[in-house]
Parts: sequence; C-alpha cells; structure tokens
Amino acid sequence: AQTVTQSQPEMSVQEAETVTLSCTYDTSESDYYLFWYKQPPSRQMILVIRQEAYKQQNATENRFSVNFQKAAKSFSLKISDSQLGDAAMYFCAYANFGNEKLTFGTGTRLTIIP
Amino acid sequence: NAGVTQTPKFRVLKTGQSMTLLCAQDMNHEYMYWYRQDPGMGLRLIHYSVGEGTTAKGEVPDGYNVSRLKKQNFLLGLESAAPSQTSVYFCASSFGRNTGELFFGEGSRLTVL
Repeated sequence: AQTVTQSQPEMSVQEAETVTLSCTYDTSESDYYLFWYKQPPSRQMILVIRQEAYKQQNATENRFSVNFQKAAKSFSLKISDSQLGDAAMYFCAYANFGNEKLTFGTGTRLTIIP
Repeated sequence: NAGVTQTPKFRVLKTGQSMTLLCAQDMNHEYMYWYRQDPGMGLRLIHYSVGEGTTAKGEVPDGYNVSRLKKQNFLLGLESAAPSQTSVYFCASSFGRNTGELFFGEGSRLTVL
C-alpha cells in the first residue's frame, strides 16, 4: 500500500516571502500522480497543483511550484510571494496511474504572518 | 453552480442511532467518493463508486454502507453510530479520466455521543 508523509504539522511565513512544504511518499509503482490540495477555513478542498510521475519537468501554477524528486520519492510545494489568502491546511496526495483513489498525507497547517 | 453539495452540514447522534449523509453533484461526474477527516490523520477513503449502481470499499469501510442509485447522488449510511465515527465527512466527485482532480463538498461534521 502507498503511504504519504508530511513531517511538518505547522509552518508559518511572512507575507510576500517564500515557503516550502515537504512531502515524501512510498510506492512500488512507476506510474502515478502526485497532488497538493488546499483546505482553507471554509473546509472545502481545492486542487492546487498536479504532477505526473513520468514527467521530469516540475509542475508550476502561478505562484505555486513543486520540486519532484522521483528517486528520493519527495514532492515539495513552494509558494512564492505568500499572500494572506494562502493560509490553509495543505495536503499532499498520491494516486496510482489509472486509479483516482487518492491517498492523503496528514497535512501541514500554513500560517501567513502579516 | 452548486458543484458538490452535502447534507446535512452538522449532525449530533446518540450511540446506536442511524443516519444517512447525502451527496449530490451536478457536474455529470462518473466517480464519487466518501472520505472522513480526523485530526492528525488526513483524509481516509471510506467507500467509492465508479458509476451509477456500483460501489466499492475504501480504506476504512467498516460501520458504513453506501448506495449510488442515481448518477448524481451518493449516500453514506451509518446503521448503528459509534463514538469512533465522530468525524468530518467529505464527499468528492471526479470525471474518472485519470486527472486525479477531485471536486469536494464542504464537509459534514458528525458527532456521536
């Protein structure tokens, strides 16, 4: 079974600064997907960014980018120019290729300091 | 544009009572899921469905039943609630095209006394 580990229960960053959230995973599969989901105080989960394991290029979505290290099974999220609206729980998630059942990590609560 | 709607949003039950959570989606999605979220444990998959009339067990199915009689609805039932089922329950849906993008509801907070 796949596992996803987020070792940082809480992180904080000054507004406009850059922060990196860590995620490691364990799988014996070669084809899979990795995701970062955001859960704001409203509780509704929102997809932030998605990475296909077969792609070497790191995914980027505006101020959000990932550092995908397949050999190390590491998938970190970098948020640049942090904004107050980025405050939320961030979950790393994994799915096997051809399967949309997500396995989630335990989450990292991000606080933005004005 | 409703997306994924869960009812009720909050519910308090006594041990042994039964209840049903309703999830409705208006995006014509094939796949639907029920997750539970507990502090320090992330989200765990309870049951899921890959199409109308189908259901399958997830990671933590014990104590729950589901039904998908209509494509747009996915029901989660607790036949005899236990305090261990106190949690926030999330429904999600997806196209099933292997994008991995799930669309979530706002969650339902259930307390079992």
